[in-house]
Amino acid sequence: QKEVEQDPGPLSVPEGAIVSLNCTYSNSAFQYFMWYRQYSRKGPELLMYTYSSGNKEDGRFTAQVDKSSKYISLFIRDSQPSDSATYLCAMNFKAAGNKLTFGGGTRVLVKP
Amino acid sequence: DTAVSQTPKYLVTQMGNDKSIKCEQNLGHDTMYWYKQDSKKFLKIMFSYNNKELIINETVPNRFSPKSPDKAHLNLHINSLELGDSAVYFCASSQGIGTGDQPQHFGDGTRLSIL
Repeated sequence: QKEVEQDPGPLSVPEGAIVSLNCTYSNSAFQYFMWYRQYSRKGPELLMYTYSSGNKEDGRFTAQVDKSSKYISLFIRDSQPSDSATYLCAMNFKAAGNKLTFGGGTRVLVKP
Repeated sequence: DTAVSQTPKYLVTQMGNDKSIKCEQNLGHDTMYWYKQDSKKFLKIMFSYNNKELIINETVPNRFSPKSPDKAHLNLHINSLELGDSAVYFCASSQGIGTGDQPQHFGDGTRLSIL
């Protein structure tokens, strides 16, 4: 079993809908939680970063962390075709330095 | 102006050959990384260098040897290439280590195909 699990999708939504993505993890030591967006044939690009439990909002993006359930989410409001990409969650903890553990990514398709 | 650049973008070669991938960052970061992304999209860290010093060395065959001539450059040399080495290799950089909260910036990857 992988340390970080993510549904590979694809998740297909109509333009304007809310995209809901999530990851579950098994290591309770994780403290820092990130969401990266990866377009085809490009490198991952950091979207959101959250420390410990709680919510964080940035424009159309909202990240949620529930450490008690070992579950993190990313919501994209008013989705656009340009949001079509693979979304990767990543996490680590202080003692691990900058060693990120990634989920396998969820492919999202936003249809016009 | 590219922040993290890798060369080459594509590499197709025969099994058993030796090849190198180069990475350069112009962000002024002091930590650089190599990741491998397999066909199922899992990104797994291989190595990390901070100011030219090896920090993270995951369970990687010793056919893979990283080298950091300075803190802006990190190269990856692979000896005796095998079919299982086919993947996309990403370079990344960040400022600092140890806190876990320094975002990593990725290059666009080198697609390695072994024939």
